[in-house]
Parts: sequence; C-alpha cells; structure tokens
Amino acid sequence: GAGVSQTPSNKVTEKGKYVELRCDPISGHTALYWYRQSLGQGPEFLIYFQGTGAADDSGLPNDRFFAVRPEGSVSTLKIQRTERGDSAMYLCASSSSGLDPEQYFGPGTRLTVT
Amino acid sequence: AQSVTQPDIHITVSEGASLELRCNYSYGATPYLFWYVQSPGQGLQLLLKYFSGDTLVQGIKGFEAEFKRSQSSFNLRKPSVHWSDAAEYFCAVAYPGTYKYIFGTGTRLKVLA
Repeated sequence: GAGVSQTPSNKVTEKGKYVELRCDPISGHTALYWYRQSLGQGPEFLIYFQGTGAADDSGLPNDRFFAVRPEGSVSTLKIQRTERGDSAMYLCASSSSGLDPEQYFGPGTRLTVT
Repeated sequence: AQSVTQPDIHITVSEGASLELRCNYSYGATPYLFWYVQSPGQGLQLLLKYFSGDTLVQGIKGFEAEFKRSQSSFNLRKPSVHWSDAAEYFCAVAYPGTYKYIFGTGTRLKVLA
C-alpha cells in the first residue's frame, strides 16, 4: 500500500517568507509525527498528533512553527518569517496509534532558506 | 535526559570487509531499538528493529544487530560490506509509554573499492 508522502520534496524560500510543508500519512494511521533533521545531525522530534489534536508540541523550536491536522489525516507544518537556521530536512512519520512503537517515515521535505 | 550515542562519526571500510557500527543508549528502561539508513538527500529506510525476544535481530540488506542489555548497546553488523552500503546510518530508540524517537547523530560509512 501507499506509504507516507510529503510535498514538496524540495522548497527554496527567501528569509522572512512563510512556508507550508505537507504530510500525507498511511491511511488509517491515527498518530503522526514531525521531525527536523539539520545538516550532519540526526532527526529531532518536533510535534506529535493523535487524531486531530497536537498531543505533544514540546519540540517546536519557537512560535514561528505551527502544525495542524484538521481532519485527523493530512498534516501541514507551517513556518512563519523563515530564517536561514530553519534550513533542514523535515521528516514526517505515522504509526497506527500512539501506542505502536513503529513509525513509518516519509521521504522528507528539504527546506532551504536563502 | 535520554540520549543515544553513536561514537563513530565516520567509518571507512574496504568492500568485502566486515562492519560494526556502535550505538549506546542512556541508562534506564529497555527501549525499542531501531537502525535506519539514509542516502544523501533521501529519507530514512528501516534496516531492523528490536522490541523484545531474541537479542540478535536480522534485518534487510544482510544487516544484523545485537541488543546487549548489560552494555546498553545495540550495535549494527554486516559480515561483508558492498559499495552500495555507503550511506549514513542512524540508531534510534523509543521508550515504552512514549512515542518520540530519539536519534543518534549518525555514522557516515564510506566504502573503498
């Protein structure tokens, strides 16, 4: 079946602009996660959704970052007033539930802020 | 805070040689353990995972890993490396009752022909 998909695969934006990154989880998966991977680092947790609600947003670096999942399926990560330090690979993952330890990762969106 | 350590940032091996990549997690309850591989500019591919049971786990592409509770380790091994194995390898853990994956900083593998 279809895996986790993310769009766009690459996004180049200018400093100060607003961007949206989209994640389509595996159908039926209720849990969805966003991670950020900076160059030369491992992925770091940003936010976890169980259904429509953000159960844990403790990894969001500041209030310029926001994510939604209005219908409990597709999620959008929104970054306002982008900064060069936001340049990274943004990875989305889903699992069948928050209790399932296995997460399935998407291919990522490479964000470059110039 | 819980953490994952991959002590080797870079490893270079000759094609056909054996490989061992180290991973240690911080002391505490036994977590769920994972190894991922990532080619440049690509997403993460799961190589293998350990949840419970037999401490020697077989994965894809000829990889295996051994969980050693006494050493808080989950080292990845391959008996004979192929040039196509050149990539970055990440160890990750998730503690029961939580959902966040904690990743190591990765080990970049270079394979010499």
